[in-house]
Amino acid sequence: KAGVTQTPRYLIKTRGQQVTLSCSPISGHRSVSWYQQTPGQGLQFLFEYFSETQRNKGNFPGRFSGRQFSNSRSEMNVSTLELGDSALYLCASSLGTSWEQYFGPGTRLTVT
Amino acid sequence: KQEVTQIPAALSVPEGENLVLNCSFTDSAIYNLQWFRQDPGKGLTSLLLIQSSQREQTSGRLNASLDKSSGRSTLYIAASQPGDSATYLCAVRGSGTNSGGSNYKLTFGKGTLLTVNP
Repeated sequence: KAGVTQTPRYLIKTRGQQVTLSCSPISGHRSVSWYQQTPGQGLQFLFEYFSETQRNKGNFPGRFSGRQFSNSRSEMNVSTLELGDSALYLCASSLGTSWEQYFGPGTRLTVT
Repeated sequence: KQEVTQIPAALSVPEGENLVLNCSFTDSAIYNLQWFRQDPGKGLTSLLLIQSSQREQTSGRLNASLDKSSGRSTLYIAASQPGDSATYLCAVRGSGTNSGGSNYKLTFGKGTLLTVNP
């Protein structure tokens, strides 16, 4: 069974731009979560979707948004990029019952 | 607010040694606890998942224990190998019984950087 895939793997953007990251969960998984990982803050939860509904949200500004489609694929959008948004963005999927999380390889975003 | 602490932050051991990584959490109202490893620049690989009703889980040379009442978990690695070198992360999922479910998210510790020397 294919694992969680994330595209693109690397991105370089300029301050003020916006970016969209994509995540395809493991087949059959209905829950997708997004995390931001930085050296200073570690792994921080962004939001979680289940069957196209946002179920939980972390403490990030409104510039960070997401959505989930009917096929469980998810996208995350960051508008008006800031230098501090440079991070590894990780997506994880789970069946929804045991809640065991399976992570993708991440998207490395660099904001200049 | 759930806080997860991992001690030590870094650990260096010779190959073959048995070792223990520690994880503590402040809110015992958890649904489960999961241990991951992360190789540099990569995503996370799930190692073990312990449900709140369980005391331990084993997979190969790995054994994870959970003491929910004291807010502690340990990851025991037997006969360590250089390939075990990575950052090990502990994460707890809240049970949602507090704050209307706002603690249902997965909260991570900062990790333990393990180096196993040949």
